[in-house]
Amino acid sequence: DAKTTQPTSMDCAEGRAANLPCNHSTISGNEYVYWYRQIHSQGPQYIIHGLKNNETNEMASLIITEDRKSSTLILPHATLRDTAVYYCIVRVATSGGGADGLTFGKGTHLIIQP
Amino acid sequence: DAGVTQSPTHLIKTRGQHVTLRCSPISGHKSVSWYQQVLGQGPQFIFQYYEKEERGRGNFPDRFSARQFPNYSSELNVNALLLGDSALYLCASSVGQGRTQYFGPGTRLLVL
Repeated sequence: DAKTTQPTSMDCAEGRAANLPCNHSTISGNEYVYWYRQIHSQGPQYIIHGLKNNETNEMASLIITEDRKSSTLILPHATLRDTAVYYCIVRVATSGGGADGLTFGKGTHLIIQP
Repeated sequence: DAGVTQSPTHLIKTRGQHVTLRCSPISGHKSVSWYQQVLGQGPQFIFQYYEKEERGRGNFPDRFSARQFPNYSSELNVNALLLGDSALYLCASSVGQGRTQYFGPGTRLLVL
């Protein structure tokens, strides 16, 4: 799986949009971009994923650049409960029978300020 | 719908002992993966099981083993515990391989 690069930490004011960047310049054509977040001492929570089109769900929006080398996770109206570590992960669409364990980096620690 | 469940939530063991951790996947999910997360790091892949067969493992010693049962639940076993095995052990389930993985709350293991 391709490697990802994320800022170590970010701050965002409550009520504002939080924009979390991720670089994945070595991504392959059959690899998805996944986002998870982990609130302190809990299991990671799935947020959203995409291949090449922008995606939106009830939690967030995912914007993937046309060359697919970077993406941005957008939390439209951040609340204090959105304070967490956010992980950007690249993984193959199908494993072909082999293991498809997720490769986590250190993620971005997003702190929502009141 | 119930999410992924894990038991126990917390566990304290001493060096040299063995431990068994349990995971029940989301109903309808046939793949279970195990991860270890030490303090300050992201989760690290240990094993994946699909349709009761091991489909791959990460860079972990043979002291770590797992199995998946006919009802798709899974156990992670760790023998000869070391202090460095202290971590949050996470289980994730998915419908199948290559599909979105959903994580349980984890089991926090402390080895003294």
